[in-house]
Amino acid sequence: DAGVIQSPRHEVTEMGQEVTLRCKPISGHNSLFWYRQTMMRGLELLIYFNNNVPIDDSGMPEDRFSAKMPNASFSTLKIQPSEPRDSAVYFCASRSDLGTPPSHFGDGTRLSIL
Amino acid sequence: KQEVTQIPAALSVPEGENLVLNCSFTDSAIYNLQWFRQDPGKGLTSLLLIQSSQREQTSGRLNASLDKSSGRSTLYIAASQPGDSATYLCAVLEDSGYALNFGKGTSLLVTP
Repeated sequence: DAGVIQSPRHEVTEMGQEVTLRCKPISGHNSLFWYRQTMMRGLELLIYFNNNVPIDDSGMPEDRFSAKMPNASFSTLKIQPSEPRDSAVYFCASRSDLGTPPSHFGDGTRLSIL
Repeated sequence: KQEVTQIPAALSVPEGENLVLNCSFTDSAIYNLQWFRQDPGKGLTSLLLIQSSQREQTSGRLNASLDKSSGRSTLYIAASQPGDSATYLCAVLEDSGYALNFGKGTSLLVTP
């Protein structure tokens, strides 16, 4: 299995620009998570999807952040407009709801907003 | 709110030493606990997952223990190697939750 695939790996853009991060979960996994990692706060959950439906978006910091999961194999996290304080590493993770399996993480997108 | 704490924040040991990383959590109503490894610039790799009903899990030179009632877990690494250098993260999944709550990690350096 290819694992969780995220793109791009790195993104550098100027303040005010729209940023779109992409994630392809592991086939067959029906739970998908977006996390953000910073030195100060560690890993924080942004949003959780189950069977393509957003279940908990309470971690999304502001209305500038939005996430979609149009089908079981693709999700996006969008920031518009971006701000320097959004600079962080964004991780996507997926998990099957069958049994008690571990969560699988992508390699992350390192986002820098100038 | 579940709080997960990892001590120490950083650790440096010479190659060959056995070492213990600590993780504590405030709410004992957990479903499972997972230890991850994170290499610089990389994602998280799952090392061990302990169900709430289990006391320990082993994989090669790694052994993770869980004391749910006291809110503690340890990751024991035997005969450490330079390739073990990475950040180790502990995460808990609560009974009532669906997402992992992470500690901030222990940064491990094993020197040759």
